[in-house]
Amino acid sequence: DAGVTQSPTHLIKTRGQQVTLRCSPKSGHDTVSWYQQALGQGPQFIFQYYEEEERQRGNFPDRFSGHQFPNYSSELNVNALLLGDSALYLCASSTGLAGRQTNTDTQYFGPGTRLTVL
Amino acid sequence: EDQVTQSPEALRLQEGESSSLNCSYTVSGLRGLFWYRQDPGKGPEFLFTLYSAGEEKEKERLKATLTKKESFLHITAPKPEDSATYLCAVHPYQLIWGAGTKLIIKP
Repeated sequence: DAGVTQSPTHLIKTRGQQVTLRCSPKSGHDTVSWYQQALGQGPQFIFQYYEEEERQRGNFPDRFSGHQFPNYSSELNVNALLLGDSALYLCASSTGLAGRQTNTDTQYFGPGTRLTVL
Repeated sequence: EDQVTQSPEALRLQEGESSSLNCSYTVSGLRGLFWYRQDPGKGPEFLFTLYSAGEEKEKERLKATLTKKESFLHITAPKPEDSATYLCAVHPYQLIWGAGTKLIIKP
């Protein structure tokens, strides 16, 4: 059983460019959350997707957007990249919201995408 | 404001030397406290979920406990392979993370 997968593993971009990161959830999971983790810090919540809709959002600007596909996979898009966007981007999957407003089930993480902005 | 604080920031132990890591939290309505292990450059690996004060969970050399204000991760007779950063997160409505404790076990 494949766990959460993310692509690419590493990415180098320049300021002002746009980037798309991809995530496939663990089998049986339909909720995807995205996090940004700077070096030496804990992850910061970006947003969560369920049923192809953004359900919760953290304190991130509109430059960060996402999408969830019918097969539950997800994309994170970041526009107008800044140097400060350099970080490890983590995707986590969990089971469905099942009528709840937020997902409180255990989240399982992928290996992350290391984004470097020059 | 919801907040999670982990201590110490770093901990160096000799192999076999037991110790505890602390995660203190201030949240409005706890729905769960989670412990993860993270190796350098990799995604966090799930360890435990605790939901109510008094709850305890064990896995190999690790034991997690929960009170109304904090959680402890006890490590008994650690081995070098236990070296990692240990993260805790609380869930009032979305995961809020501590900065982690970097644990180094020397052989």
